[in-house]
Amino acid sequence: KAGVTQTPRYLIKTRGQQVTLSCSPISGHRSVSWYQQTPGQGLQFLFEYFSETQRNKGNFPGRFSGRQFSNSRSEMNVSTLELGDSALYLCASSLQIMNTEAFFGQGTRLTVV
Amino acid sequence: KNQVEQSPQSLIILEGKNCTLQCNYTVSPFSNLRWYKQDTGRGPVSLTIMTFSENTKSNGRYTATLDADTKQSSLHITASQLSDSASYICVVSTGGGNKLTFGTGTQLKVEL
Repeated sequence: KAGVTQTPRYLIKTRGQQVTLSCSPISGHRSVSWYQQTPGQGLQFLFEYFSETQRNKGNFPGRFSGRQFSNSRSEMNVSTLELGDSALYLCASSLQIMNTEAFFGQGTRLTVV
Repeated sequence: KNQVEQSPQSLIILEGKNCTLQCNYTVSPFSNLRWYKQDTGRGPVSLTIMTFSENTKSNGRYTATLDADTKQSSLHITASQLSDSASYICVVSTGGGNKLTFGTGTQLKVEL
């Protein structure tokens, strides 16, 4: 059974640009959630999608957005990149939205220069 | 403000020894508490997940406990191995869903 796949693994962008990250969940999983991990702040919740609808949202500015497609694949977009957006972005998939195991992907390492 | 605090921040133990990691949380409403293991440069891997009605849960050499009254959890690692060297993160789910609040982790190093 394939795990959670995130692409790309590494990305370098310039300040002011925008970036789109992709996440393919485990087959049959309908919930996809996104997290940002930095050395200073640790892991922080960005948002969660279930059945193509955003169900939960963390405390991040509107520059961070996402969407989920009918096949449960999800994308995360960050516009007007800032140096502080450099981080490991992790995606996790779950079978359902309540009290179920979250399986994480390997992450996308974004560096903003 | 929802917070999850872990202690110690880092820990070095000898192979074969046991250790216990602590987690205190102030999260409301509480849905479940999870422990994850994260190797450097990789995504977290789930060890245990407990709802408020569960006091203890084991996964091989890992045993997690939960006291919902005092809002404390611990992760006990038995007979440590070199491969246990990683960051252990306590995570609390608030109000259902996967809106997770993460602790800052305990960095464990197991040495010969």
